[in-house]
Amino acid sequence: NAGVTQTPKFQVLKTGQSMTLQCAQDMNHEYMSWYRQDPGMGLRLIHYSVGAGITDQGEVPNGYNVSRSTTEDFPLRLLSAAPSQTSVYFCASSYSNRGHNSPLHFGNGTRLTVT
Amino acid sequence: KQEVTQIPAALSVPEGENLVLNCSFTDSAIYNLQWFRQDPGKGLTSLLLIQSSQREQTSGRLNASLDKSSGRSTLYIAASQPGDSATYLCAAITQGGSEKLVFGKGTKLTVNP
Repeated sequence: NAGVTQTPKFQVLKTGQSMTLQCAQDMNHEYMSWYRQDPGMGLRLIHYSVGAGITDQGEVPNGYNVSRSTTEDFPLRLLSAAPSQTSVYFCASSYSNRGHNSPLHFGNGTRLTVT
Repeated sequence: KQEVTQIPAALSVPEGENLVLNCSFTDSAIYNLQWFRQDPGKGLTSLLLIQSSQREQTSGRLNASLDKSSGRSTLYIAASQPGDSATYLCAAITQGGSEKLVFGKGTKLTVNP
């Protein structure tokens, strides 16, 4: 059981480049989300999805796009990378976004540097 | 807006000591509160989830309590070991709206042999 798989683990981009961070889960979870983690700022929610075809913005959505065409996959797209997007990105999933008894499962993260 | 605070930001204890990590939240209308562990360079691992109707949850040497009226949760670690060294984060999911999980900034625990 792989859980939540994120690729790549590391990425360096130049300002203005675009890329997609991949996230896949094999637990049939309805809820998937993307966070960024920065020193002193904690974890901040970028986008989330409560099921295939449904996405919504989190706390810091600007500069990022998401889609959810399947239950398993939730890619995060950086449209035009900026140095401010240098961060560690985590994908997380759970059975339900209401989470009454549904803990959040995290991937191991993607460390992104934008120069 | 829900705010989650963890104090202290860092804690260093000798091996074998029992310890308590604190988490406070401003909005008591929560569905649950979750405790996570994060090792350096890794993602977060779920430790315990306490539903709003529960007062505590236990897993091995870990015990988490929840007091919604005071907006507090504690994570008790018994007989600490060097392997417990990590950053511990708590997060609350608030009722209503989009029901997003709000994280504290974590407490970095070091257990010295």
